Order: sequence, then structure tokens, then C-alpha cells
Amino acid sequence: EVQLVESGGGLVQPGRSLKLSCAASGFTFSNYYMAWVRQAPKKGLEWVATISTSGSRTYYPDSVKGRFTISRDNAKSSLYLQMNSLKSEDTATYYCARHGPSTEGIGYFDYWGQGVMVTVSS
Amino acid sequence: DVVLTQSPATLSVTPGERISLSCRASESVDTYLHWYQQKPNESPRLLIKYASQSISGIPSRFSGSGSGTDFTLSINGVELEDLSIYYCQQGNSLPRTFGGGTKLELK
Repeated sequence: EVQLVESGGGLVQPGRSLKLSCAASGFTFSNYYMAWVRQAPKKGLEWVATISTSGSRTYYPDSVKGRFTISRDNAKSSLYLQMNSLKSEDTATYYCARHGPSTEGIGYFDYWGQGVMVTVSS
Repeated sequence: DVVLTQSPATLSVTPGERISLSCRASESVDTYLHWYQQKPNESPRLLIKYASQSISGIPSRFSGSGSGTDFTLSINGVELEDLSIYYCQQGNSLPRTFGGGTKLELK
């Protein structure tokens, strides 16, 4: 059974940093692109970052580019999101998500974690 | 960025009826359009991939259609457990974008 378990969320002041982790199990982690997707309170979904199987390629939307860094440790089956210069608009539930098989491209997210809340406030 | 517009924002339904939800893209996404269901206080779940391809474990009453800029998610015989928010998402270009969602509520 595929499991994705996020951790590391909490309350942080604007301008500070926070690092999220995602522990993966139930599949061969190193074979899949992985992503972070967030959801502000009572709002819709927003893609935040994607990383290739080896970690050599990363992708971000403009809203977080230069502030957030996605990384992975395939030996530990773990995904990370380093968030710097946090803003109030970064307040959201952050989901770790697995992309579909690379043979199908990286277009969709087939498994999601339960999410971790990040609140940016003074 | 590709903007996905979902309509209606809210749909009141009666159990057993067939319904259709719309997702319109600001530019063609071919069939790189995927649908998710998010029940209250749960994570999203993939329902349909590539506009019309079914997902293992998803009830057969869910189906998708469309290509280019106009897409539809249909539920043939709505059940109470289907009361959720439904999102479309495009995988044709970066950044990946989601629609604003359609909420199904009980009539």
C-alpha cells in the first residue's frame, strides 16, 4: 500500500524558514517523480514543486521560485521542501504527492499524503 | 499559465441522478486533463486521468470526456458519498494548474 506521511509543519513568523518532510513507503520511491501541492484554508489546490527521480531536475511556479527548494533522498525514501522567506500567503496545508509513472509523463498526481499545516503569522 | 474554469461552482444534487461537471481551459491542453475528488477533511483522490481514462478502484459511475479546451466529468447515479469538491487539473504545460473546484451538495 502506497503511503505518504508528511511532517514538519507548524507556526512560523513571516520571513523565517521551515522544512517539510515526507516519508514514502509501499512503492519504489526512486522510480517516481514527486511533488508538493498546497491548499490555503477554504481555497483550491496549487502545485508548488516537482522533482525528478534522481533529483537533478526541479520545477516550480513563479509564486515560490527562489524561495522554496524541493529535494529528495532516495536511500531514505524521503521528500523534502525547504521554505525560506515565508509570507502570510504561504499559509496552507501542504500535501506530498506522487506523480504518475514516468512512462506516462508527469502530468497527474496519483497518490497524496494526509497533508501538514503551515501557518505563517506574527 | 493555463487557467481552468470549472462550472458550476456549486451543484445541488439528488441521489440517483446523473450529473455533469464542466472544466474549460484557457488554451488547448489536448487530453492532458485530470480529475480529482476531495471529500471534507480528506486529501484529494485521483478519479480520471487523461480526460477519460478510468482509475483502478474508482466506481464505474464516474466517467470523463472532452479534449482541447472543454471537458466534462459525469457521475451516473450520484450517491451520498459523492458529496465532495471536484477539481480538474491540466498536465499539458508548466506550471501545473487546477480549476477552482465544483462542490456537490445535497438538494
